[in-house]
Amino acid sequence: KNEVEQSPQNLTAQEGEFITINCSYSVGISALHWLQQHPGGGIVSLFMLSSGKKKHGRLIATINIQEKHSSLHITASHPRDSAVYICAATMDSNYQLIWGAGTKLIIKP
Amino acid sequence: DAGITQSPRHKVTETGTPVTLRCHQTENHRYMYWYRQDPGHGLRLIHYSYGVKDTDKGEVSDGYSVSRSKTEDFLLTLESATSSQTSVYFCAISESRGSGSGNNEQFFGPGTRLTVL
Repeated sequence: KNEVEQSPQNLTAQEGEFITINCSYSVGISALHWLQQHPGGGIVSLFMLSSGKKKHGRLIATINIQEKHSSLHITASHPRDSAVYICAATMDSNYQLIWGAGTKLIIKP
Repeated sequence: DAGITQSPRHKVTETGTPVTLRCHQTENHRYMYWYRQDPGHGLRLIHYSYGVKDTDKGEVSDGYSVSRSKTEDFLLTLESATSSQTSVYFCAISESRGSGSGNNEQFFGPGTRLTVL
């Protein structure tokens, strides 16, 4: 069992819908990362958080340390948000990054 | 965008040949990483470096070696390429490993698509 689990694996939605992608982890962490990988392949860091919530434009990331759970939300989704969203956790024991398998998001116009 | 380049961007080679991939950064970040990405797997760490001449193994280091002779360059070498090493290789950098209040947000290069026939 992977120490970082993402759900869903795949998500298809209509333009304008509110999107939620979940990330659960089973180890102690010092930080949680959300990244985006577009179909062209490039990987971009979206957020790094260790508590609470962060917002950037239409993207919101939250983390609940007690429940070992993080969510990435996209408001007013747009076809250009179509990408793979990856969650990764920095383990607080050795600072190694543990990667989730990614969530493939498709937003239809 | 962080200044990270990878070369070559695409390479096709034959089994048994040596291959070297280069990662170059202009951000002066201490930490550099090599990952491979394969269908059905998340990113997997091959090797990382925490300074000039300081490197350590990741989870899938067998068959790979690395070198870092300058802060800005991190080389990944496949001594004798095998078909199982066909993959997309990403280089990443970070200011810190993540200890204490260090920022280990990682910034990625564009990737190298390697095909071993």
